[in-house]
Amino acid sequence: AQTVTQSQPEMSVQEAETVTLSCTYDTSENNYYLFWYKQPPSRQMILVIRQEAYKQQNATENRFSVNFQKAAKSFSLKISDSQLGDTAMYFCAFMKHSGNTPLVFGKGTRLSVIA
Amino acid sequence: DSGVTQTPKHLITATGQRVTLRCSPRSGDLSVYWYQQSLDQGLQFLIQYYNGEERAKGNILERFSAQQFPDLHSELNLSSLELGDSALYFCASGGRAEPRNEQFFGPGTRLTVL
Repeated sequence: AQTVTQSQPEMSVQEAETVTLSCTYDTSENNYYLFWYKQPPSRQMILVIRQEAYKQQNATENRFSVNFQKAAKSFSLKISDSQLGDTAMYFCAFMKHSGNTPLVFGKGTRLSVIA
Repeated sequence: DSGVTQTPKHLITATGQRVTLRCSPRSGDLSVYWYQQSLDQGLQFLIQYYNGEERAKGNILERFSAQQFPDLHSELNLSSLELGDSALYFCASGGRAEPRNEQFFGPGTRLTVL
């Protein structure tokens, strides 16, 4: 079974600064997908970024980028130029590559962006 | 807007009661997933349906059941409710060819058991 671990329950960052959220996972699969989801106070689950394990290049979406280290089973999220609207819970999630399979989530990191 | 709809948004009921949560997936999506998020916790997978058939089961209690109908909407039935069943219940859909393997979440149903 797969497990996802987020070791930072809470973090804070000053507006316009950069912050990195950590995620590690355990799997015996060779191919899989990794995701970061954002859950703002509205509770809506919003996909931030996705990474396919067979791609060596780290995914980037505007101010959001990942550092994917397959051998170390590490998948961190970097948020650059943090904005007040980035305040949210962030969940790391794993999905088998076969697709149409459930997501396995970490327990989340609560990020506060301070003005 | 993810295209996934869930009703009702809020539900307040008493212990021992039975409720039904409804989910309509994005147009074209064949898979529906149900997740439970208890207070300040991560999301726990409950059950998945694909084109009307049960595809995968997670940590779903025997008091809970689900089904997916021919029009692909899904219902999650929770019975003999307990205080600990209070949570946010999410439905997600996916299964289109593109974007591959993404799940799109509905706004959730907040269940409060008193």
